[in-house]
Amino acid sequence: EAGVAQSPRYKIIEKRQSVAFWCNPISGHATLYWYQQILGQGPKLLIQFQNNGVVDDSQLPKDRFSAERLKGVDSTLKIQPAKLEDSAVYLCASSIGLSLSYEQYFGPGTRLTVT
Amino acid sequence: GEDVEQSLFLSVREGDSSVINCTYTDSSSTYLYWYKQEPGAGLQLLTYIFSNMDMKQDQRLTVLLNKKDKHLSLRIADTQTGDSAIYFCAESPGNLIFGKGTKLSVKP
Repeated sequence: EAGVAQSPRYKIIEKRQSVAFWCNPISGHATLYWYQQILGQGPKLLIQFQNNGVVDDSQLPKDRFSAERLKGVDSTLKIQPAKLEDSAVYLCASSIGLSLSYEQYFGPGTRLTVT
Repeated sequence: GEDVEQSLFLSVREGDSSVINCTYTDSSSTYLYWYKQEPGAGLQLLTYIFSNMDMKQDQRLTVLLNKKDKHLSLRIADTQTGDSAIYFCAESPGNLIFGKGTKLSVKP
């Protein structure tokens, strides 16, 4: 079974530029998560999708971050414009369903550096 | 507030037992989790414990839960160099809330 795929693996941009990350979850997984992991900290949930609908985006900085999962499969996370404090690893995870008893499978992440 | 606390570093010798400790804040968490993160990789679920359990054992891993003190621990028996990684504790009042992680270094 293929795991969660993310691209690109690394991205360096200047502040005020835009960037987009892509995630392809495990086939058949209805629930998709985007996390932000700042160096030295644990992951923090940004947004959670169930199929193509948003379940929780309370921690997403909506003035600059957006995410979509239009067909309920792969997803993109965009930052526009980027700030220095957005430097982090962006992790995508997927699970079969919403219940916390279902394991979340994580992708390798996209490491973003904003200069 | 929501805050999961872990010590940042642990160093052990190969073959010894490792114990990683965690305190959490939300007593409504149904599940408590331990994740492992190796360099350049995403997180991998190691084990989890249901909140009405005191202990769970899975091969070399033993999880102890003290609900009164909101304390969770992960014991790794016969620690190997391949166990070197960062270990995250997470609670689940709704979504997952992670600690900052404990970096385990295993010396040969």
